[in-house]
Amino acid sequence: DIVLTQSPATLSVTPGESVSLSCRASQGISTSIHWYQQKSNESPRLLIKYASQSISGIPSRFSGSGSGTDFTLSINRVESEDFSVYYCQQSYSLPLTFGSGTKLEIK
Amino acid sequence: EVQLQESGPGLVKPSQSLSLTCSVTGYSITSNYWGWIRKFPGNKMEWMGYISYSGSTSYNPSLKSRISITRDTSKNQFFLQLNSVTTEDTATYYCARSPRPNWFAYWGQGTLVTVSS
Repeated sequence: DIVLTQSPATLSVTPGESVSLSCRASQGISTSIHWYQQKSNESPRLLIKYASQSISGIPSRFSGSGSGTDFTLSINRVESEDFSVYYCQQSYSLPLTFGSGTKLEIK
Repeated sequence: EVQLQESGPGLVKPSQSLSLTCSVTGYSITSNYWGWIRKFPGNKMEWMGYISYSGSTSYNPSLKSRISITRDTSKNQFFLQLNSVTTEDTATYYCARSPRPNWFAYWGQGTLVTVSS
């Protein structure tokens, strides 16, 4: 199975700051990585597909980059509604796997 | 608009079977892929498996022979059965849709299943 390692586990920031969340794959997966946001008591919401492709309805402050084994989700100027948990997920091979998540919290 | 809704018992006894239904509205399950994903206490997420538009299935090997995903196209529903559950199967279970076995754009609201005697 492909293991996805997300870092950091928790990120404390002040609203208005820009942040980068990391996801590293245990082997090369091209750009087959997708990012989700999950708020408490809600379902995950797809933010980015295939590493950098935008999703309709998602604010433009969310962007993704990377290929191979290293991927980044960037949030430009974090807003209060962005404090939640973020997951990466790979679709390069079955079984599909998820990272352990990064919790974005208010400093 | 596509909507998915999970339903089923919230409490299951150890060694018994867990059975959940995902009811889909706004889109036919004879298109795309329909999966089950669970989130354990502590945030770990696990893809369990999917049933495709044609009815073929794929499962996470970690679940070995305990899992079965089936469907009823006349009701536009698909189902999860997980046998021989233990307390480690306590999780929130989600059903979700993907265009291929890749990313999940549509999710149900999730249903918490607790395995306890």
